[in-house]
Amino acid sequence: QTVVTQEPSFSVSPGGTVTLTCGLSSGSVSSSYYASWHQQTPGQAPRTLIYNTNIRSSGVPDRFSGSILGNKAALTITGAQADDECDYYCVLNMGSGIWVFGGGTKLTVL
Amino acid sequence: EMQLAESGGGLVKPGGSLRLSCAASGFTFSSHWMTWVRQAPGKGLEWVANIKHDGSEINYLDSVKGRFTISRDNAKDSLYLQLNSLRAEDTAVYYCAKSRGLTYWGQGTLVTVSS
Repeated sequence: QTVVTQEPSFSVSPGGTVTLTCGLSSGSVSSSYYASWHQQTPGQAPRTLIYNTNIRSSGVPDRFSGSILGNKAALTITGAQADDECDYYCVLNMGSGIWVFGGGTKLTVL
Repeated sequence: EMQLAESGGGLVKPGGSLRLSCAASGFTFSSHWMTWVRQAPGKGLEWVANIKHDGSEINYLDSVKGRFTISRDNAKDSLYLQLNSLRAEDTAVYYCAKSRGLTYWGQGTLVTVSS
């Protein structure tokens, strides 16, 4: 069974740029996987940042962007802020109507 | 303003049943796929099921097939998840979300399966 992979943790300096990735244990992610990215702070519901690989959800600042980098989907955060420190999840369309989440990345801003 | 409001969670014994509801407003519910996602305590997000705008296509996570049933009532702008034969490992916050790509989330409802 194919697993969706994310970095368990990542660190970025305030004002810096970080790219989180979403890959497959076997194979490459392309736009046909319709990757979406979701931000979650502890105790809160997730918030959609990006869907269909690179479409920014309403109200999301343009310092969040989605793309395909190499064989993975990617979420890039530019000008990192303290309140960007939380968990980030990607989810991919695996075909046959099934979607699978990655394990999430805990982002630290320090 | 778009809103999704889940309800129906609670404490249930193993083997028991619950019916979750998700009331939608602020968008044309009948035009969109809808999805249920869950999150066990301290764990990551897990996709559970989705349903096409007209109910003609439904998909499930393997571990809930035959136990959970997703449905919708477009006249009431509502999404449902019937949970049967519940197990301890089904304990989670259950979220409804708009579309297959999860473009908007509700606040969730907690289901606890324990004797």
